[in-house]
Amino acid sequence: AQSVTQLDSHVSVSEGTPVLLRCNYSSSYSPSLFWYVQHPNKGLQLLLKYTSAATLVKGINGFEAEFKKSETSFHLTKPSAHMSDAAEYFCVVSEGGKLIFGQGTELSVKP
Amino acid sequence: ETGVTQSPTHLIKTRGQQVTLRCSSQSGHNTVSWYQQALGQGPQFIFQYYREEENGRGNFPPRFSGLQFPNYSSELNVNALELDDSALYLCASSFLQGAISEAFFGQGTRLTVV
Repeated sequence: AQSVTQLDSHVSVSEGTPVLLRCNYSSSYSPSLFWYVQHPNKGLQLLLKYTSAATLVKGINGFEAEFKKSETSFHLTKPSAHMSDAAEYFCVVSEGGKLIFGQGTELSVKP
Repeated sequence: ETGVTQSPTHLIKTRGQQVTLRCSSQSGHNTVSWYQQALGQGPQFIFQYYREEENGRGNFPPRFSGLQFPNYSSELNVNALELDDSALYLCASSFLQGAISEAFFGQGTRLTVV
């Protein structure tokens, strides 16, 4: 069975500084990986997806993630955090059409 | 906006009652999945429907059941509600054809069981 592990339950950054949210995956074959964001009292929004076309994936709102098979990682980054980035972020792997979510990382952005 | 709408947005039920949650999929999508998100947790897969047939089920008891209609809208039914069923229930629609496709989520229904 596939799984994802988000290494930090909470990350706090200052506005304008880089963001790094870490995710490791476990899969016996080439996985399909996603990052979703959930703002308070809102549904889930897709930030980006990896489906083996390119290892560096660019998403919305300046986010990107790099698939590293040797490290079984799919970390999410952004060069400069905005206050509006404060939210819960989920690393997700797809297995047979169903999505398997990590536990989530809460991102706080300080002024 | 994802084009996926869920109703109601909030619901309070008493333990032992039954509840029906509804989801209207995005136009053109043939697959709907339901997820349960407990407070402070990631969403957990309940089941998926593809062209009106159940197409996979997570680790949830049979009192969780569903339907998908010809217009691809969907219902989630939960019988004999328990306190632990209190959660945000999310519906996701997608177009499933071979390779993995993107899932679009609704805003969710917040169910409170008292």
